[in-house]
Amino acid sequence: DTAVSQTPKYLVTQMGNDKSIKCEQNLGHDTMYWYKQDSKKFLKIMFSYNNKELIINETVPNRFSPKSPDKAHLNLHINSLELGDSAVYFCASSPGLAGLNEQFFGPGTRLTVL
Amino acid sequence: AQTVTQSQPEMSVQEAETVTLSCTYDTSESDYYLFWYKQPPSRQMILVIRQEAYKQQNATENRFSVNFQKAAKSFSLKISDSQLGDAAMYFCAYTENSGYALNFGKGTSLLVTP
Repeated sequence: DTAVSQTPKYLVTQMGNDKSIKCEQNLGHDTMYWYKQDSKKFLKIMFSYNNKELIINETVPNRFSPKSPDKAHLNLHINSLELGDSAVYFCASSPGLAGLNEQFFGPGTRLTVL
Repeated sequence: AQTVTQSQPEMSVQEAETVTLSCTYDTSESDYYLFWYKQPPSRQMILVIRQEAYKQQNATENRFSVNFQKAAKSFSLKISDSQLGDAAMYFCAYTENSGYALNFGKGTSLLVTP
């Protein structure tokens, strides 16, 4: 059984489009995250949610909007896609605080904006 | 803001040999957590080892061990008896005691040669 799953794994789209990436975890965790890994492999936190409440919004453009319909899901919607949005996006989850608990990562979604 | 620095973009080691990956961090906190994550070509993020700052004893996990120097803010990873499967990007990460996200270094690419 997949612990943290993301769909799609690959996404190729044109500039200006709107797209969504879905994330689901079946671990019963309270906390979920979105990270962005750029072309140089640098990983940076975008959002953290705890019990469906936004905890961290790390200076991400307003075009990115996370949505957590329930504790098991954290989706990422991106409006008006730009070339610079091309990256790998990782969803992760943990039982609670990032230090006390291991974060489990999804397989990543490679987004390519043309 | 906390920063994590990995000064070695690439390292190489022969099979069965030992290699050490460096990591330094900057924080004003006294309680925090440090991690090493492995990212193989499959791009899955895998936790290698975790260290609590309040513990003086260095963490070990089979062939992986850390040298944690709190005063020097240094957290290096030693891989003993290197195997071909150890080839990957290795990321050092930090989070404070009450943190809800990991702050990653830029990674070290480890090549293992036969």
